[in-house]
Amino acid sequence: EAGVVQSPRYKIIEKKQPVAFWCNPISGHNTLYWYRQNLGQGPELLIRYENEEAVDDSQLPKDRFSAERLKGVDSTLKIQPAELGDSAVYLCASSLYSGASTGETQYFGPGTRLLVL
Amino acid sequence: SQELEQSPQSLIVQEGKNLTINCTSSKTLYGLYWYKQKYGEGLIFLMMLQKGGEEKSHEKITAKLDEKKQQSSLHITASQPSHAGIYLCGARVGVSNTGKLIFGQGTTLQVKP
Repeated sequence: EAGVVQSPRYKIIEKKQPVAFWCNPISGHNTLYWYRQNLGQGPELLIRYENEEAVDDSQLPKDRFSAERLKGVDSTLKIQPAELGDSAVYLCASSLYSGASTGETQYFGPGTRLLVL
Repeated sequence: SQELEQSPQSLIVQEGKNLTINCTSSKTLYGLYWYKQKYGEGLIFLMMLQKGGEEKSHEKITAKLDEKKQQSSLHITASQPSHAGIYLCGARVGVSNTGKLIFGQGTTLQVKP
């Protein structure tokens, strides 16, 4: 079974330029997450989707970041314009929430490493 | 301050030695996850613990959850170079079984052959 797929793996851009990341979750997973991981830190949630609905975007800097998950499968995360401080690894994760009392496990993609110059 | 504190931040051990990594929460734990990350790669799921006193093992890695202390430990027996990487603990916030995970800052493990 294929894992979470992300592209591109690496991206170098100049500040003020736009950039977009793409994520294809594990087949059948209804919940999708975007995290940002700064160097030497753990990932921090940016946005969480349940199917097509963004149910938690409280940590997403909405002035420059946007995300969408059309048809409840693939998702894109966009930054426009990028700033130097946006340099980080952007991780996508997916899970299957069944409503059961046990928590679901999030499976992560390889990430996109962004460098803003 | 960090909601999840991992210790130590880094660790260098000789191959064959045992080691323990700790993860302590400042809030009530509703689920504790351990992941491993290699530089430039994503997080690989290791184990999930939900109940106090729960203990799980996978090959030479054992994780335990102490609900009262709001703490989890990850123990590696007879370490090998393949164990090298960054170990991250993540915890579920809120009573709901869904929702975001908050992560510790990670523990970097090096295993010397």
